[in-house]
Amino acid sequence: DGGITQSPKYLFRKEGQNVTLSCEQNLNHDAMYWYRQDPGQGLRLIYYSQIVNDFQKGDIAEGYSVSREKKESFPLTVTSAQKNPTAFYLCASSMDGARARDTQYFGPGTRLTVL
Amino acid sequence: KQEVTQIPAALSVPEGENLVLNCSFTDSAIYNLQWFRQDPGKGLTSLLLIQSSQREQTSGRLNASLDKSSGRSTLYIAASQPGDSATYLCAVYAFGNEKLTFGTGTRLTIIP
Repeated sequence: DGGITQSPKYLFRKEGQNVTLSCEQNLNHDAMYWYRQDPGQGLRLIYYSQIVNDFQKGDIAEGYSVSREKKESFPLTVTSAQKNPTAFYLCASSMDGARARDTQYFGPGTRLTVL
Repeated sequence: KQEVTQIPAALSVPEGENLVLNCSFTDSAIYNLQWFRQDPGKGLTSLLLIQSSQREQTSGRLNASLDKSSGRSTLYIAASQPGDSATYLCAVYAFGNEKLTFGTGTRLTIIP
């Protein structure tokens, strides 16, 4: 059963802690993306990767880091430098990294809350 | 800078009615426009993708149109059902800006 999985579904973080959100896909897609969704705002791009071992900053990369060591995995770390991390985080993938305008497929999301 | 607007932010209609959701964008130099559905607390599901050279796309009871010159798209839902209740988002992929720009969505409620 192909798709994108994200874990955990809910995550609670104390101030000053780093946390890592998992994103895995078995669609054999080249490109992967991380978005942040806040109430009343559209999705905003944090980071994207068009191919293994390569990634680029999106519009709101400050306070976040990523890695792309395997084609199927694109974890996102929310660092203590991110001042307002409470949000809903969505991972997505698309087939061809060189044609990133293909349809994007989304995971179920992780809701991060800072205590 | 590309901006995408969806008005209204929320819409309620009785079951069985046909309805139209609106999306407008400021820069007409786009590759494509996509419509997504999002259920509460869930990820996005792609509904329709319209290439810049196309005028419309259809899938079942859904029909999306694109008027690139005026910067507008509509999503038409025929014979609405309670299961259509969700937030609908549009997004455009613009030339020279290799990412999707999303609208804030329209929250649709179908009243049984």
